[in-house]
Amino acid sequence: RKEVEQDPGPFNVPEGATVAFNCTYSNSASQSFFWYRQDCRKEPKLLMSVYSSGNEDGRFTAQLNRASQYISLLIRDSKLSDSATYLCVVIPNTNAGKSTFGDGTTLTVKP
Amino acid sequence: DGGITQSPKYLFRKEGQNVTLSCEQNLNHDAMYWYRQDPGQGLRLIYYSQIVNDFQKGDIAEGYSVSREKKESFPLTVTSAQKNPTAFYLCASSPGTGGWSSYEQYFGPGTRLTVT
Repeated sequence: RKEVEQDPGPFNVPEGATVAFNCTYSNSASQSFFWYRQDCRKEPKLLMSVYSSGNEDGRFTAQLNRASQYISLLIRDSKLSDSATYLCVVIPNTNAGKSTFGDGTTLTVKP
Repeated sequence: DGGITQSPKYLFRKEGQNVTLSCEQNLNHDAMYWYRQDPGQGLRLIYYSQIVNDFQKGDIAEGYSVSREKKESFPLTVTSAQKNPTAFYLCASSPGTGGWSSYEQYFGPGTRLTVT
């Protein structure tokens, strides 16, 4: 089993739809969690940190469920420009430098 | 402008040659990282450094070497021992100073290495 797992998709949704991605992790001692966005053939860009209490940034909401060991990303009112691959990152509290990325979930928003 | 630079953007080498990829940051970040990404896959950690003059192996360090002699620089050498070196190489840095934002990583534009 991989340390961090994501549904690869692709998720194909119409504009205006709400879409959610999950990311499960196996190390219960993980302490920090992030979502990144990666456009085709570009570097990943930080989208959101995932706080214990959950957090929201405009149309994006990130949540952490420690009991079930997953984080989620919800995108409301999808735009064409949201089309990208979304990567989750998990960092253990035993070694903060050794982050693990998921393989990513691909989202395509269609007109 | 603050940021991370990687050069060159594209690099072509013959099999059997060592090649060094450059990574420089002017964000005053303590921690720096090297990742490899293969088509359709996520990022895999090669090496990371949390402080100058110190670095640790990541998940796929075999065939690679790094140095961290200066805070702003973290070059990666792909040696001839790396069996499948063709990939997209990404360098990142993070503040590493404590607090939640310590681990937020910021990436350079990457170097696409092709070895034939």
